[in-house]
Amino acid sequence: QKEVEQDPGPLSVPEGAIVSLNCTYSNSAFQYFMWYRQYSRKGPELLMYTYSSGNKEDGRFTAQVDKSSKYISLFIRDSQPSDSATYLCAMRVSNDYKLSFGAGTTVTVRA
Amino acid sequence: NAGVTQTPKFQVLKTGQSMTLQCAQDMNHEYMSWYRQDPGMGLRLIHYSVGAGITDQGEVPNGYNVSRSTTEDFPLRLLSAAPSQTSVYFCASSYSNNQPQHFGDGTRLSIL
Repeated sequence: QKEVEQDPGPLSVPEGAIVSLNCTYSNSAFQYFMWYRQYSRKGPELLMYTYSSGNKEDGRFTAQVDKSSKYISLFIRDSQPSDSATYLCAMRVSNDYKLSFGAGTTVTVRA
Repeated sequence: NAGVTQTPKFQVLKTGQSMTLQCAQDMNHEYMSWYRQDPGMGLRLIHYSVGAGITDQGEVPNGYNVSRSTTEDFPLRLLSAAPSQTSVYFCASSYSNNQPQHFGDGTRLSIL
């Protein structure tokens, strides 16, 4: 079993829809949670960075962490064609540089 | 400010050949790392460095060597390329172990 599980999709939604992405994990020591966005033939870029449980909002993006369920989510409101990309979840334990990544979910927003 | 720069962008090798993937960052980051990305596998850590002169193994280190003689550069060496090393390789850096990692745009490597 992988340490971090992420539904690979692909996910196709119409413009303006809410996109919901999620990851589950098995290591209860994970405390820092990230979402990266990766456009085709580009490197991952950091989208959201959260610590422990709770919600964090940044514009149209909301990240949720539920440590009791070992479950994290990313919501994209009012999705745009420019949001079409692969979204990767990542997480790590405190004071450890190494990240554990999900496999990524490919999202297409149709105009 | 270029961020993390990887060269080359594309490379085709024959089995048994060796090569070095270059990674340079201009952000004065202490931490640097190499990942490979394969379909359905996500990003897997190959090697990482917490400062000049210090390197350590990640999840999939076999067949790869690294060194860190300067803060800016962190090259990845394939000693004897194998088809299983066909992948996209990403270099990343961060200021500290508690700061987010910044990625380069990758090197796409094919081993025939």
